[in-house]
Amino acid sequence: KAGVTQTPRYLIKTRGQQVTLSCSPISGHRSVSWYQQTPGQGLQFLFEYFSETQRNKGNFPGRFSGRQFSNSRSEMNVSTLELGDSALYLCASSFDPAGTGIQSEQFFGPGTRLTVL
Amino acid sequence: QKEVEQNSGPLSVPEGAIASLNCTYSDRGSQSFFWYRQYSGKSPELIMSIYSNGDKEDGRFTAQLNKASQYVSLLIRDSQPSDSATYLCAVGGYNKLIFGAGTRLAVHP
Repeated sequence: KAGVTQTPRYLIKTRGQQVTLSCSPISGHRSVSWYQQTPGQGLQFLFEYFSETQRNKGNFPGRFSGRQFSNSRSEMNVSTLELGDSALYLCASSFDPAGTGIQSEQFFGPGTRLTVL
Repeated sequence: QKEVEQNSGPLSVPEGAIASLNCTYSDRGSQSFFWYRQYSGKSPELIMSIYSNGDKEDGRFTAQLNKASQYVSLLIRDSQPSDSATYLCAVGGYNKLIFGAGTRLAVHP
């Protein structure tokens, strides 16, 4: 079974620009979560989607948004980029067959490394 | 108080020794617990999951859970230099995982 894939793997943007990151979950997984990882803050939860619905959101400004498509693929968007948005953005998928939200194992993609200049 | 706490390390152990990694969490209602390994420049890789009190063994890895003490641990037996990485403890919340800051493990020959 193929793992979680993320595109692009690397991005360089300038302040004020916007960016869209893409994630394809493991086949059959309907839950997709996004995390931001920085050396100072560690792994921070951004949001989680299940069946095209955002079920949970972390403490990030509204510049961070996401969506999920009917095939469970997900995208996240960051508008008006700031220097502090430079980070590794990780997508993870999990099975959650009953849609209960009780966390089962999450499997991470390789991440997208975003650098904001 | 942080939701998930880990000693940042580095924890240095000789090759062949047992490495013991610890994690405490604040939410008594948590039901799922995970250990991830992350090599420098790579994404986290799931190595253990545990859902009930007691021990769970998988190869050289043993996860231990004590819900009364809100404590999770990971033991790595016969540590190898290839085990040198950052180990992240994660606790299942509602529709999300809450991660600790990670413990850096260094296994020296």
